[in-house]
Amino acid sequence: QSALTQPASVSGSPGQSITISCTGTSSDVGGHNFVSWYQQHPGKAPKVLIYEVSKRPSGISNRFSGSKSGNTASLTISGLQAEDEADYYCCSYVSSSFVFGTGTKVTVL
Amino acid sequence: QVQLVQSGAEVKEPGASVKVSCKASGYIFSNDYIHWVRQAPGQGLEWMGVISPSGDSTSYTQRFQDRVTVTRDTSTSTVYMELSSLRSEDTAVYYCAREPRGSGNFDFWGQGALVTVSS
Repeated sequence: QSALTQPASVSGSPGQSITISCTGTSSDVGGHNFVSWYQQHPGKAPKVLIYEVSKRPSGISNRFSGSKSGNTASLTISGLQAEDEADYYCCSYVSSSFVFGTGTKVTVL
Repeated sequence: QVQLVQSGAEVKEPGASVKVSCKASGYIFSNDYIHWVRQAPGQGLEWMGVISPSGDSTSYTQRFQDRVTVTRDTSTSTVYMELSSLRSEDTAVYYCAREPRGSGNFDFWGQGALVTVSS
C-alpha cells in the first residue's frame, strides 16, 4: 500500500488560511469516510485534529476543518497562528489496514 | 484520563528482536483497538499493525507481515509489539495509539519508544 500524497510544504502568514491536500485512490481516501488528520510538533507524539473526514474531537479549535472530494481529502487551517507550525499527516483506512500520507511541513511566515 | 505509557528506549544489534510494551489506563481496555505506528528519523509516519479489542484478531501491513507480532494482555491492560530480524532501517520511534471501536480515529497516543539498531 503506497503512502497517500501530500505536498511537502505549505506556508502562510499569521491570520491567513492554508489548505493541505491528501490524494489517494478509490480504495482508500475515495472509498469511505475513515480519513483523519494529525498534527505533530518536533519530538512529540501526533495529535488528532480531524476524523471521519470532517469531525473535530472535543478540544480542537474550529480553525481546523476537513473535507473530501473524490480521492482527495483536504485540511484547512484558518486564522493561521504561530503554534500551527508543525508537520501534518493525513491517514486513511484501506482493506483492514491504514495508510498515512507523506506529511506536510507547515511554516508560519 | 486516558493514558498509553510505553516502555523505554532500546538498543539492539542487527538480527535481534525487540518487544515494546504499551500500558493503557483510564478507560475500559477491552473496548478499543490498539495500533502501532513507527517513524524513522526525519521521516513520516508509517502504520504497522493493529490488534482487536478482544485480542483474537490482528492485521499487519504487508511490509512487516512476517516480522511483526502484536499481542495484548487483558490482565495488565498492556499491548506488546515484537519486531524480529532487526536491521538498521528499523531504527525509529515506535508509537502505540488507541482507536475507539470502529471510528478510524487514533485519539490517544503513547509517548513513543526509540529503538536503535546498531552493531
